[in-house]
Amino acid sequence: DTGVSQNPRHKITKRGQNVTFRCDPISEHNRLYWYRQTLGQGPEFLTYFQNEAQLEKSRLLSDRFSAERPKGSFSTLEIQRTEQGDSAMYLCASSSQGGKDNEQFFGPGTRLTVL
Amino acid sequence: GNSVTQMEGPVTLSEEAFLTINCTYTATGYPSLFWYVQYPGEGLQLLLKATKADDKGSNKGFEATYRKETTSFHLEKGSVQVSDSAVYFCALTPSGGNTPLVFGKGTRLSVIA
Repeated sequence: DTGVSQNPRHKITKRGQNVTFRCDPISEHNRLYWYRQTLGQGPEFLTYFQNEAQLEKSRLLSDRFSAERPKGSFSTLEIQRTEQGDSAMYLCASSSQGGKDNEQFFGPGTRLTVL
Repeated sequence: GNSVTQMEGPVTLSEEAFLTINCTYTATGYPSLFWYVQYPGEGLQLLLKATKADDKGSNKGFEATYRKETTSFHLEKGSVQVSDSAVYFCALTPSGGNTPLVFGKGTRLSVIA
């Protein structure tokens, strides 16, 4: 297993455009998390799934953000009408529900720059 | 609410110096506590964890003890190396189970030879 992968690694877009990121978790993990990290800050929780069900969404997840995990495997995070304040590193993590005390494995992240 | 406060960086140490990075938390219930590390150009990696009071997590020479009475989980290492240069994040999950992590802001450590 190669771990959690995320694509693209970098995305530059113009304000107002839509962007979509993909996360492929570790294959046997049924929980998948999205976090956002801005410069000089720790990661902040956005949303998470158990299999295909979205269990929780943070207040940070405005109406312009939507996440899906249609078949309980990979997940996508879409941002519509991007704003400069959306510029950040978007992190995906996965875990096994019955696994070792909450250990979440993180992907390398997608860095979004909104011009 | 749930929150983590860790000492501000950057922290600059000479090789073989003793390291302490302070972390305190606020949480309802009985959280699990973690230290994650982010090396330059890499993703977050779990460094160590503790799931109940008085547990000590350890890995790669780093240690942290879950202190419920002081709501703390300070990270320590007796002799740092240049390769320990990274950003360190203290984090918690509020009440156990595989729930979202709450992170501190991170502490950047630079170790010079």
